[in-house]
Amino acid sequence: DQQVKQNSPSLSVQEGRISILNCDYTNSMFDYFLWYKKYPAEGPTFLISISSIKDKNEDGRFTVFLNKSAKHLSLHIVPSQPGDSAVYFCAASDSNAGNMLTFGGGTRLMVKP
Amino acid sequence: ETGVTQSPTHLIKTRGQQVTLRCSSQSGHNTVSWYQQALGQGPQFIFQYYREEENGRGNFPPRFSGLQFPNYSSELNVNALELDDSALYLCASSSAGTSTEAFFGQGTRLTVV
Repeated sequence: DQQVKQNSPSLSVQEGRISILNCDYTNSMFDYFLWYKKYPAEGPTFLISISSIKDKNEDGRFTVFLNKSAKHLSLHIVPSQPGDSAVYFCAASDSNAGNMLTFGGGTRLMVKP
Repeated sequence: ETGVTQSPTHLIKTRGQQVTLRCSSQSGHNTVSWYQQALGQGPQFIFQYYREEENGRGNFPPRFSGLQFPNYSSELNVNALELDDSALYLCASSSAGTSTEAFFGQGTRLTVV
């Protein structure tokens, strides 16, 4: 039973355009959501997070949107840069159950120059 | 501020053997979590240690065990290795009671032959 799903295994975007990565979850107890970026041969790097009390969080070129009623979140990258090419993981946690993260399967983003 | 470091980076073991992976947590962090990432999938939570005690466990058999030391570093032990244990093992550190962001090491690539 996959509680966090990223339905697009890959996404290709032109440099300068917007990248939108999507994530769906099923567990209504999740109250904190995170996005990680992963390059080959490296561990995941924390990008941005959002608490369930908010519906938007912005950090530079990265914005995360949360739609609790739809159990859906998305990461927007504007403008996309070739260095953004990586695998992006969505993760969720239940703060009442410790800091353990449940990850989606990842989306490989390719930003073309 | 030192980041999360893991050793070794790569390891090859034979089916049935035992393996110990090591992790040094980020300075100031008192919680360590271990994740298994199989090829093409997102990381899966194995267990978490806080104040030298197991503080949550995912769906992994008892042959996966761990330790946390007074300096918050940690070990992951896997007994009776199986071919399906081949994966990237990730250690993440965080600070209990504050933010939920976990910071990952570069991982240990374990191959069981």
